Amino acid sequence: AQTIHQWPVAEIKAVGSPLSLGCTIKGKSSPNLYWYWQATGGTLQQLFYSITVGQVESVVQLNLSASRPKDDQFILSTEKLLLSHSGFYLCAWRDWGKDTQYFGPGTRLLVL
Amino acid sequence: GEQVEQLPSSLIVQEGASVLINCSYTDSASVYFPWYKQEPGKRLQFIIDIRSNMERKQNQRLTLLFDKKTKHLSLHITATQPGDSAIYFCSARPRNMGYKLTFGTGTSLLVDP
Repeated sequence: AQTIHQWPVAEIKAVGSPLSLGCTIKGKSSPNLYWYWQATGGTLQQLFYSITVGQVESVVQLNLSASRPKDDQFILSTEKLLLSHSGFYLCAWRDWGKDTQYFGPGTRLLVL
Repeated sequence: GEQVEQLPSSLIVQEGASVLINCSYTDSASVYFPWYKQEPGKRLQFIIDIRSNMERKQNQRLTLLFDKKTKHLSLHITATQPGDSAIYFCSARPRNMGYKLTFGTGTSLLVDP
């Protein structure tokens, strides 16, 4: 069975500080991977997607970047956090040729 | 781009009641519509989906209706239980853009025991 993990579970960071969030999926080779952001009480906004190692596409610009250094790993990062980066970050995966995306447990970020 | 709206934004029902959550979208190129449930403190959970070549799909107490002409979906939940309390999201994916998923505004459901 596939398992998807995200780390850390939660972070409190200062404005202007760097950030790195991680996502790992086990039990599935070459998945499509996605990053989403959810403002508190809001809907989900797709940020990035990746169909293969080393290839990442941006869906919306939020002063964030993403990388896929390994087949099972997806990283979201920024060098300078803004207050507006606060929220819930979710990683998701999808099988090749299938429709449904499945979500990880998320990372809650508070920027002060 | 695609816009997905849900109504109502929130509702409270007594346990055992039925609820109806409405979802509308704008892009006629959308062909796949998964629904997710987000319980407090838990991950987003896939609950049911429908494709644009279908009109109805049922999964136990969930029934999903789709009207391509009006670009409207409705999720019917019967015999609600406290465990159904969550935020429900409709989403839409266009043809030929397998990566793209646009989420709705969400409907918060509270089931009173």
